[in-house]
Amino acid sequence: GQNIDQPTEMTATEGAIVQINCTYQTSGFNGLFWYQQHAGEAPTFLSYNVLDGLEEKGRFSSFLSRSKGYSYLLLKELQMKDSASYLCAINTGGFKTIFGAGTRLFVKA
Amino acid sequence: ETGVTQSPTHLIKTRGQQVTLRCSSQSGHNTVSWYQQALGQGPQFIFQYYREEENGRGNFPPRFSGLQFPNYSSELNVNALELDDSALYLCASSSLTSGRRDTQYFGPGTRLTVL
Repeated sequence: GQNIDQPTEMTATEGAIVQINCTYQTSGFNGLFWYQQHAGEAPTFLSYNVLDGLEEKGRFSSFLSRSKGYSYLLLKELQMKDSASYLCAINTGGFKTIFGAGTRLFVKA
Repeated sequence: ETGVTQSPTHLIKTRGQQVTLRCSSQSGHNTVSWYQQALGQGPQFIFQYYREEENGRGNFPPRFSGLQFPNYSSELNVNALELDDSALYLCASSSLTSGRRDTQYFGPGTRLTVL
C-alpha cells in the first residue's frame, strides 16, 4: 500500500526553527517533494530530494533518508508569512505523485 | 507565478450535472496532471496526460475523464456530479526535458461546489 504520514498541526514562534517530519511507505520511489500551500491557494514548490542527505535553500532545508522512509523540512528564522500547510509528496514513478494530508503550521508572534 | 493557468476560478453546479475545467500548462511543459483536493486534505491524483495520451490514473471512477490538446493545454470533465465532488481541482504541468524533470508546477485551481 501507499502511506505518507505527517503531523496534522504544529505551532511555532516567530524567529524560531521548526522541523516538519514525513514518513512514507510507497510501492515506488523516485523522489520526495515538499510543497507549501497557503489557505485557498495552489501548492508552491519548495524542494525535491532524490538522494539521501540535506539540501539547503535559504531559510528552508529538506532532508531525506530513503532506507528509513523518512524526510523532514526545516524552516529557520520563522516569519508570520510561513503560516501555511506543508505537503510531503512522493514521486512513485513517471509523473505520478502521491501527497500526504499536509501539516498545518501556525506561526505566532 | 508558475505560468500555469486554470479556468474558471470558481464554479457552482448541482448534482447530476456535468462540468468541464480547463488548464493551460507552463510554456515548454508537455505533461499535465490533475488533482482533487478536499478541504483539509492533500491533493489526490486523478490522472495525467503526456503528449495527448492518458499516462496514468488514480482511483477515480470513469465519470472523471480528460483531454490534452496539441498545445498541451488540458480539460478535466466530470459527469453525473455528486456532492462529494465538491473540492479544489488542481492542474500541474511538468516536462521531461527540463532540468528538474519531475517537478510539477501547480495552477491556482478551480473551486467546484456541488449543491
